[in-house]
Amino acid sequence: DAGVIQSPRHEVTEMGQEVTLRCKPISGHNSLFWYRQTMMRGLELLIYFNNNVPIDDSGMPEDRFSAKMPNASFSTLKIQPSEPRDSAVYFCASSLTGGQQPQHFGDGTRLSIL
Amino acid sequence: RKEVEQDPGPFNVPEGATVAFNCTYSNSASQSFFWYRQDCRKEPKLLMSVYSSGNEDGRFTAQLNRASQYISLLIRDSKLSDSATYLCVVNKGGTASKLTFGTGTRLQVTL
Repeated sequence: DAGVIQSPRHEVTEMGQEVTLRCKPISGHNSLFWYRQTMMRGLELLIYFNNNVPIDDSGMPEDRFSAKMPNASFSTLKIQPSEPRDSAVYFCASSLTGGQQPQHFGDGTRLSIL
Repeated sequence: RKEVEQDPGPFNVPEGATVAFNCTYSNSASQSFFWYRQDCRKEPKLLMSVYSSGNEDGRFTAQLNRASQYISLLIRDSKLSDSATYLCVVNKGGTASKLTFGTGTRLQVTL
């Protein structure tokens, strides 16, 4: 079975540019999560969706970040404009709904903003 | 106080050793607990869920102490391939889907 699929795997861009990260959750999973991981702050939840609806975006750093989930099989995380401090690994994870369900992670997008 | 606290390590142990990690959590309403494993430059992967009565999966044993709000992971007969960072994970409370990840405990198994 296909796991969570993220693209691109790596992104290097200059500050000020728009960055779009993509995620395809595991088929049948109705919860989707976007995380950011850095050495300093560890793994931080940015936003999560349940049945395509954003439930909690309290982790989104600022207005430069936005996320959408137009359907059950696709989500995007957009940063506009990007800044060097946004450099991190961004993970998407999906799960069945419910706190007892483990989350399954994609390979991540390694983002570098110059 | 952090929601989930772990000793960052590193724990350096020889092959064949038994090693244990502890993790404490602050939200007494949390009901779901997991251990994840993360290899260098890879994504976190579920190692095992942690059940109230404790559970075992091969060389790995997880325990939960609700009264003291801590979780433990015991690894017996360590292998070189066990070298990784182990993340303690707790849900936000009740049936909440949000999980809080600890910053991880690094394990290095040596010859």
